[in-house]
Amino acid sequence: GAGVSQSPSNKVTEKGKDVELRCDPISGHTALYWYRQSLGQGLEFLIYFQGNSAPDKSGLPSDRFSAERTGGSVSTLTIQRTQQEDSAVYLCASSLDPTDTQYFGPGTRLTVL
Amino acid sequence: DAKTTQPPSMDCAEGRAANLPCNHSTISGNEYVYWYRQIHSQGPQYIIHGLKNNETNEMASLIITEDRKSSTLILPHATLRDTAVYYCIVSPRYNQGGKLIFGQGTELSVKP
Repeated sequence: GAGVSQSPSNKVTEKGKDVELRCDPISGHTALYWYRQSLGQGLEFLIYFQGNSAPDKSGLPSDRFSAERTGGSVSTLTIQRTQQEDSAVYLCASSLDPTDTQYFGPGTRLTVL
Repeated sequence: DAKTTQPPSMDCAEGRAANLPCNHSTISGNEYVYWYRQIHSQGPQYIIHGLKNNETNEMASLIITEDRKSSTLILPHATLRDTAVYYCIVSPRYNQGGKLIFGQGTELSVKP
């Protein structure tokens, strides 16, 4: 079946611009996660959605980062006033429920000039 | 912080078994050992997980020591396509928030 998809695959933007990154989880998966991976760094948790519960935003690095998940499916990660240090690969994962295996998408490579 | 320690890199000859170690000496009773791998420019891929018994699936085997303080991921017949960074993660099955905490992993290079 279809896996997690993310768009765009690559995004180049200028410092100070806003960007939106999209994640389509596996159909029926109630849990959705965003991570980021900076050059030479490990994967860093950003935010977690589970059903209709309030999201766990504990990993968001600043208030310039926000995310929403509409209708319990598609999620959008928004970065406002991008900075060069925001350059990274942003990965989305979904799981059937919080106890289940997480399946990752291919990621969006964000470059802030 | 990651609760696991892995060697930063390993080499393996194609066709040989690749044995990737992981130390998790502070693992608690409700925490599972998960293995993911990340092939260059791709998202992480789930491999296998276990609690205390050895596990095997079509991709790999997981051997967990009796005291659960360490484990080994075994790729029985490594191929060039197994070249990747392998992450060992400990996490409760019913964890709060669902997030995985990745360490630096082991970069496995399979050589012809």
